[in-house]
Amino acid sequence: GAVVSQHPSWVICKSGTSVKIECRSLDFQATTMFWYRQFPKQSLMLMATSNEGSKATYEQGVEKDKFLINHASLTLSTLTVTSAHPEDSSFYICSAVTGNNSPLHFGNGTRLTVT
Amino acid sequence: AQSVTQLGSHVSVSEGALVLLRCNYSSSVPPYLFWYVQYPNQGLQLLLKYTTGATLVKGINGFEAEFKKSETSFHLTKPSAHMSDAAEYFCAVSDDSGNTPLVFGKGTRLSVIA
Repeated sequence: GAVVSQHPSWVICKSGTSVKIECRSLDFQATTMFWYRQFPKQSLMLMATSNEGSKATYEQGVEKDKFLINHASLTLSTLTVTSAHPEDSSFYICSAVTGNNSPLHFGNGTRLTVT
Repeated sequence: AQSVTQLGSHVSVSEGALVLLRCNYSSSVPPYLFWYVQYPNQGLQLLLKYTTGATLVKGINGFEAEFKKSETSFHLTKPSAHMSDAAEYFCAVSDDSGNTPLVFGKGTRLSVIA
């Protein structure tokens, strides 16, 4: 079955630094990837929708200059948390689809802790 | 470790008929349970969630789900399907530690026939 690999699964960084999270579709081409954020004990919040070769569409309230999304190829999307702060500590989860009406496949998530 | 099984990758119902989407979970700790819906070309939306308390949870768009610990189930129902309910539905499990991400089922596609 289709696999989405997310890396790293766990990262600790210091406040003020930037962290890059990768989301790869291993055996299919992902035309669209979604990035979510999950606060502890809460449900997912959609951050942005990323289409290959075009700018990501951010949800209201998500700072696009802070959460940089790049979807440069059909198998890779990256989320960079710039100038991270402790309040950015969260789980970040990506999902990918191959096209219209195709199943959604999830990565295993990245736990970011900012100290 | 936690896991989710959604029985039936595709469910088809007639407009006005009962919708029943099945979800069984496995968890070694008290679970938090969620149902999400994904409309075509969109991200996930939360339908409802169970954390603690009342086992029958009501969500948006007339959906509800009942947490049954003895059956390790959290099935999603709606009394009367609308055409607009056609979408992909995902069940997910987490725990109350705040230390683990959501674990998703593979999804169930709901088709509604006029």
